[in-house]
Amino acid sequence: EVQLVESGGALVQPGGSLKLSCAASGFTFSDSPIHWVRQASGKGLEWVGRIKSKANNYATAYAASVKGRFTVSRDDSENTAYLQMNSLKTEDTAVYFCTRLVEIQDYFDFRGQGSLVTVSS
Amino acid sequence: DIVVTQSPLSLPVTPGEPASISCRSSQSLLHSNGFNYLHWYLQKPGQSPQLLIYLGSSRASGVPDRFSGSGSGTDFTLKISRVETEDVGIYFCMQALQIPITFGGGTKVEIK
Repeated sequence: EVQLVESGGALVQPGGSLKLSCAASGFTFSDSPIHWVRQASGKGLEWVGRIKSKANNYATAYAASVKGRFTVSRDDSENTAYLQMNSLKTEDTAVYFCTRLVEIQDYFDFRGQGSLVTVSS
Repeated sequence: DIVVTQSPLSLPVTPGEPASISCRSSQSLLHSNGFNYLHWYLQKPGQSPQLLIYLGSSRASGVPDRFSGSGSGTDFTLKISRVETEDVGIYFCMQALQIPITFGGGTKVEIK
């Protein structure tokens, strides 16, 4: 069974940093692009960023709203992806989901419950 | 960026009646391979989104056949032939043709 478990969410002050983890199992993690999507309370879904597989040079891409502040990385030996968030703003407050992209059809396979990040003083 | 616009924002439904949600994109989602990179999700309260329809019209595994997707290019529709109480939640469409991946704002389906 495919599982994606996000962790690391916390309350952090504006300007602070936080690193989220996404532990994966049940599929070939090393072959899968991993994306991060966030959802502010009562709001819609916002794509944050992604990292491709080693075969695709671990290419990353980011939403304009987080570019330069957030970094997606992965450790294929641990089947884990990460989202490093720096210079956090109050508008970054959201539940963060990691998801795998099922290639060819290119749809997201959401499995986790997300990790809550609250940016507040 | 491709803008994805959903309507309506809210959809009160009566069990047993049909329902329809529209999704429009600012650019065609039709790839040269012939597939439309438009997917539909349902997010039930307190849960992560679950895939209903992928590539515009293909039903995901385990999704009841009362759900159907149609459309091509920039106009897409999700239809529920006979709404059941378990169908309440927020429906999102998502384009995966190009980065940044973008979502519609969501349609909240609730029982009248």
